[in-house]
This record gives sequence, structure tokens and C-alpha cells, in this order.
Amino acid sequence: SQKIEQNSEALNIQEGKTATLTCNYTNYSPAYLQWYRQDPGRGPVFLLLIRENEKEKRKERLKVTFDTTLKQSLFHITASQPADSATYLCALPYSSASKIIFGSGTRLSIRP
Amino acid sequence: DVKVTQSSRYLVKRTGEKVFLECVQDMDHENMFWYRQDPGLGLRLIYFSYDVKMKEKGDIPEGYSVSREKKERFSLILESASTNQTSMYLCASTLGGYVTGELFFGEGSRLTVL
Repeated sequence: SQKIEQNSEALNIQEGKTATLTCNYTNYSPAYLQWYRQDPGRGPVFLLLIRENEKEKRKERLKVTFDTTLKQSLFHITASQPADSATYLCALPYSSASKIIFGSGTRLSIRP
Repeated sequence: DVKVTQSSRYLVKRTGEKVFLECVQDMDHENMFWYRQDPGLGLRLIYFSYDVKMKEKGDIPEGYSVSREKKERFSLILESASTNQTSMYLCASTLGGYVTGELFFGEGSRLTVL
């Protein structure tokens, strides 16, 4: 079955540095991959989608890469701020266009 | 503003009770989803629906059923609640076809089964 792994449960970095989160998947070749942000007690909120034929996507301070050979996506937040502290989840479609599955998330903490 | 509304933010039920979790979206989306979220396990897909009266099992359907009688409403049913179903339940919706758009989530329903 499809498995999605996010590199670490928690990541702690200094304000102003670049945060890099990893999402690895197995047993499938998704047509796209999504990243979401989740704050405590709230539902996830969509951030970015990257398609299999795109190597990189940017949105303001966010950058996502997608390496279909390595079966890996990297999510970067540059010039990180304490307000970026949240859990970040990757998601992809599996076995059918409508079935979206998620990784377990990485809890990011940015210290001032 | 687009919206996914879950009927209850917090519920406390007893073992063996029948539990209904309701979800309504106002975006005319074809696809709707129910996930549960537990610490360290992330979001796990219980069921999804791609049209009225259509449903497919996700990764953990055991102990759950769903109903989609109207396009805007997707209900999750626990026929006989058990303590291992204590969790945060999240409903989401998205456009149909080959889904590439974002999932819109509700605020979640935190269920405690005693």
C-alpha cells in the first residue's frame, strides 16, 4: 500500500533561517503532491500543489520541489518567522483520482 | 467565502452509542472526505464520496459507515461507538473530475467515547 513519510515529527529552528521539510512516498507515482498547514485545533489549510512535470514551485517565502525519481518532495520556508510555527502536512492522490492520503506531518517551531 | 461546516466541535458519547457526525459544504463540490487524526498518525482516510449516493472505503473504514443523500452533505456514522474511536474527525471537500485542487477542511469534531 502507499506510504507517505515526513522526515521528522518536529523541527526547531531559529527565526530568519530556512526551514526544510521532507516528504517521501513509496509504491506509487502520483500526478501531483500538495502541502498543507495545520494550526492546533484547526483543520488543515492548503498551501501549494506541485505536479509531476514540475520540478519547483514558489509562493512568496515558500518553495516546493518534486523529484519523481527519488519519490520525494521538499518544502522550504525562507526567512522563517515565529508565525510560521505550525504542523505541515504533505498529501497526494493514491489509486484513484479522488482518494487523497496524508503524511503524519512535521511540527515546525520557529524560535525568536 | 467557501465553507465546510461540521455539526459539532466537541462530543462525548458512551461505548455502544450510535454517533452521527455531519458535514455540509457550500461550494457545490463533488468530492467529500472523512478523516480521523490521532497524534503521531496524521490524517487517516476513513471514507470518501465522489458523487451523491456514491462512496468508497479509505484506509480505515472498519467500525464506520457514511451517507451522502445530498451533494452538500456527507455524514459519518459510528454504529456502536468504542473507546478506540476517540479522535479528531475532519471533513473535507474538493471539486470533482481528476482532483488537483485543494481540499477544504472543516474545523474538526473532537469525539470522546467513554
